[in-house]
Amino acid sequence: NAGVTQTPKFRILKIGQSMTLQCAQDMNHNYMYWYRQDPGMGLKLIYYSVGAGITDKGEVPNGYNVSRSTTEDFPLRLELAAPSQTSVYFCASRSIRPGQPGELFFGEGSRLTVL
Amino acid sequence: AQKITQTQPGMFVQEKEAVTLDCTYDTSDQSYGLFWYKQPSSGEMIFLIYQGSYDEQNATEGRYSLNFQKARKSANLVISASQLGDSAMYFCAMREGDQAGTALIFGKGTTLSVSS
Repeated sequence: NAGVTQTPKFRILKIGQSMTLQCAQDMNHNYMYWYRQDPGMGLKLIYYSVGAGITDKGEVPNGYNVSRSTTEDFPLRLELAAPSQTSVYFCASRSIRPGQPGELFFGEGSRLTVL
Repeated sequence: AQKITQTQPGMFVQEKEAVTLDCTYDTSDQSYGLFWYKQPSSGEMIFLIYQGSYDEQNATEGRYSLNFQKARKSANLVISASQLGDSAMYFCAMREGDQAGTALIFGKGTTLSVSS
C-alpha cells in the first residue's frame, strides 16, 4: 500500500532554478493538496485540487504552479526558486465518504533548500 | 485572526502521566471538523483523532481523547499514560464547512517531550 508518494525527498536548488515536486496517490482520492511547513510553524496551503483538471490557489500560492491531468498525480512546480521557498513540502489527499472523518493522508514530505 | 490557536509551544511530561494539549478554533460555520495530527522527528504526519461539530460525544481513539467544548471553541487533545514514543510535534487542524474538498487549516503545533 503506497498511499501518497512524493519525490524527491531532498533537493538543493540554486536561486533562480526551477523544479517540479512529484506527488502520486493510489487511493483513487479526488482531493489533493500541497502544503508547506516552515520551521516552528504549522502547515500552510499552497494549492489544492478537487479532481482532474481542477485546481485552485490556497493561502500561499505565489511562486508555485500545479496541474492535475490525472486523478493520481498532482505535481507542484517551482519557478525561479527563491530562498523564501526553503521549506518542507507535503502532498496530501483525502476522500469524502459519509460517516468518515475525511482526514488527510500525507506523503513523507520533500525537504527543499534554496541557496 | 488565527483560525487555529495552539498556545503551548512546548510541553514536558513524564512517562505514564496524562497530558493535555490545548487547541482553540475560530469559525462561524455550524458544520466543521477538528483533527489532531502527530509529527514525530522523522517528519511524517500521522492522523490521530477527529471530532465533528455535531458529535455529542467526545472522540476517543485508544490513549487519545478529544475534550471538545463547543461553546468555548476548544478541542484539546488528551493523551493518557504517556509513552516515550509520544514525543513529537502535535498539530490541531480544522475543516470549515461541508464543501467537498475543503482543505484543513493547521495550528502552529505543540512540541511534546516525554521523559522517563
